[in-house]
Amino acid sequence: AQSVTQPDIHITVSEGASLELRCNYSYGATPYLFWYVQSPGQGLQLLLKYFSGDTLVQGIKGFEAEFKRSQSSFNLRKPSVHWSDAAEYFCAVGAATGGSYIPTFGRGTSLIVHP
Amino acid sequence: DAMVIQNPRYQVTQFGKPVTLSCSQTLNHNVMYWYQQKSSQAPKLLFHYYDKDFNNEADTPDNFQSRRPNTSFCFLDIRSPGLGDAAMYLCATSRDSGQETQYFGPGTRLLVL
Repeated sequence: AQSVTQPDIHITVSEGASLELRCNYSYGATPYLFWYVQSPGQGLQLLLKYFSGDTLVQGIKGFEAEFKRSQSSFNLRKPSVHWSDAAEYFCAVGAATGGSYIPTFGRGTSLIVHP
Repeated sequence: DAMVIQNPRYQVTQFGKPVTLSCSQTLNHNVMYWYQQKSSQAPKLLFHYYDKDFNNEADTPDNFQSRRPNTSFCFLDIRSPGLGDAAMYLCATSRDSGQETQYFGPGTRLLVL
């Protein structure tokens, strides 16, 4: 079974600073990898996903993530954080099962942005 | 344009009183999912429908049931809510390919008194 580890429960950055959120996964085959963002009281919104091909993936809102198979990692980055980026970020690994994919989510990293 | 709609957004129920949460979608997706998300935790998959085929997670309590009368609607029934069932309940949909993205609704926050 697949699993995801997000080692940082909270990350605090200053507005305008760069950001990296860590994600490590465990899965026996080539994984499908995702990053979702959840604002308070809201559902999850997909930021980006990796299925195959280029290991550097561009997403919405200026985010990118890099798949590193050797490190079993899929870290999320943004060069300059905005106050509106404060939210909960979830990494997920998916496995194709019977035609539908069932993602396993990490516990999330809460991003706090200081002005 | 709303694509995955959940009603109500907030639900208060009493201990042991059955409650039903609703999810509808305008995406015509084959697969619908229900997740339970407790405070500061990852969403936990309860079950999903692939078309009309129901797939229950092994550790989902019997207290949780689901119905999908048609492609657009899916319901989560909690037969006898306990205090531990207070959580955000998220509905999501996807198409029937293994590479498809899930689209989430805004969630229903359930409070059990």
